[in-house]
Amino acid sequence: QQQVKQSPQSLIVQKGGIPIINCAYENTAFDYFPWYQQFPGKGPALLIAIRPDVSEKKEGRFTISFNKSAKQFSLHIMDSQPGDSATYFCAASLGNYGQNFVFGPGTRLSVLP
Amino acid sequence: EAGVAQSPRYKIIEKRQSVAFWCNPISGHATLYWYQQILGQGPKLLIQFQNNGVVDDSQLPKDRFSAERLKGVDSTLKIQPAKLEDSAVYLCASSYTGTANIQYFGAGTRLSVL
Repeated sequence: QQQVKQSPQSLIVQKGGIPIINCAYENTAFDYFPWYQQFPGKGPALLIAIRPDVSEKKEGRFTISFNKSAKQFSLHIMDSQPGDSATYFCAASLGNYGQNFVFGPGTRLSVLP
Repeated sequence: EAGVAQSPRYKIIEKRQSVAFWCNPISGHATLYWYQQILGQGPKLLIQFQNNGVVDDSQLPKDRFSAERLKGVDSTLKIQPAKLEDSAVYLCASSYTGTANIQYFGAGTRLSVL
């Protein structure tokens, strides 16, 4: 019940395309859903996050869509660029101290020039 | 603002040896996390500190792993004795209490156990 499932495992798109990465969770107590971006040799960096009281959040070219009833959320990257090539992780946590922080297995995105 | 500092960046040891990793969080961040990231997988939380108290260590293999955070600042993660399956990147992250979910990660320590 603590798991977060993520798909696809890898994704290749052309520059300007809109990659979509999907995640699903079971624990309805989760109340914070971030996306992290990780480049090789670096630690993950927070990209965008959402709480279950909203269905969509947009920051720049990155959009999270959240479906509370389906217990699913997704990341959309508009006008993708080769510099977006990285591994993306969805995650979930609960509580004021971000307890029980759990990451999905990751999606390796390649954006071709 | 300086980021999360970790050392060493790389470590190679033989199985059954011991190893220690050090983390210095961002100044003022009360919450500190240690994660294990096996190649091709997402990070797995090992232990979470709030100041120098443990909030969550449910996934820490306590028979061989230990962690401490003296004075609520720096932290050390130790493995003793190491096994082959401990080969991974060990990531440290910190967050400000007021925004506990926004974690800032260090670059990690890559451990190879031979």
